[in-house]
Amino acid sequence: GESVGLHLPTLSVQEGDNSIINCAYSNSASDYFIWYKQESGKGPQFIIDIRSNMDKRQGQRVTVLLNKTVKHLSLQIAATQPGDSAVYFCAGALSGGYNKLIFGAGTRLAVHP
Amino acid sequence: SQTIHQWPATLVQPVGSPLSLECTVEGTSNPNLYWYRQAAGRGLQLLFYSVGIGQISSEVPQNLSASRPQDRQFILSSKKLLLSDSGFYLCAWSVGGTVNTGELFFGEGSRLTVL
Repeated sequence: GESVGLHLPTLSVQEGDNSIINCAYSNSASDYFIWYKQESGKGPQFIIDIRSNMDKRQGQRVTVLLNKTVKHLSLQIAATQPGDSAVYFCAGALSGGYNKLIFGAGTRLAVHP
Repeated sequence: SQTIHQWPATLVQPVGSPLSLECTVEGTSNPNLYWYRQAAGRGLQLLFYSVGIGQISSEVPQNLSASRPQDRQFILSSKKLLLSDSGFYLCAWSVGGTVNTGELFFGEGSRLTVL
């Protein structure tokens, strides 16, 4: 079945450094992926998404890379700031799946001054 | 602009008591609606989704049910809560349709503790 998971449960970085959060998925038919940021006690917020016909997409300070060969995607955050501290989730979905996103367990990003 | 509201934000209920969590969406029509549950320190598990009034799909067998009495209202219920029902419940919406049109928009969540 579909599963989306994360390599590391916790990532600690220094303020100003770049952060890379990794994610693996199991279903090669997944064609839509999305990254969410969740601050404590709040609902997840959209960061960036990517479709399977792309291998890279950039946003403001964030870049998502998709490697369909090894079923892996990553979220890169440039110049990490204290406000980036949160839990980050990757999620994947199948085309026609009513946006039935399958979420991974999440990676906690801790930014130290 | 679209907004999503869910309530109550926090709920403490005894085992065996009923549950009703409500979610409403404003600023859009015919959205797809979702209920997710998040256990402590875990990812989000899809419980129910709905593509229209009265149309509910259940993703996992459980002690909960969902209803959509109006286009932009989604309710999560239980007749008798179990300890295992404790968690953080999130309502979400997406643009209606049968294809992945983009992101899910989440509410602020309802934290349920069953004692």
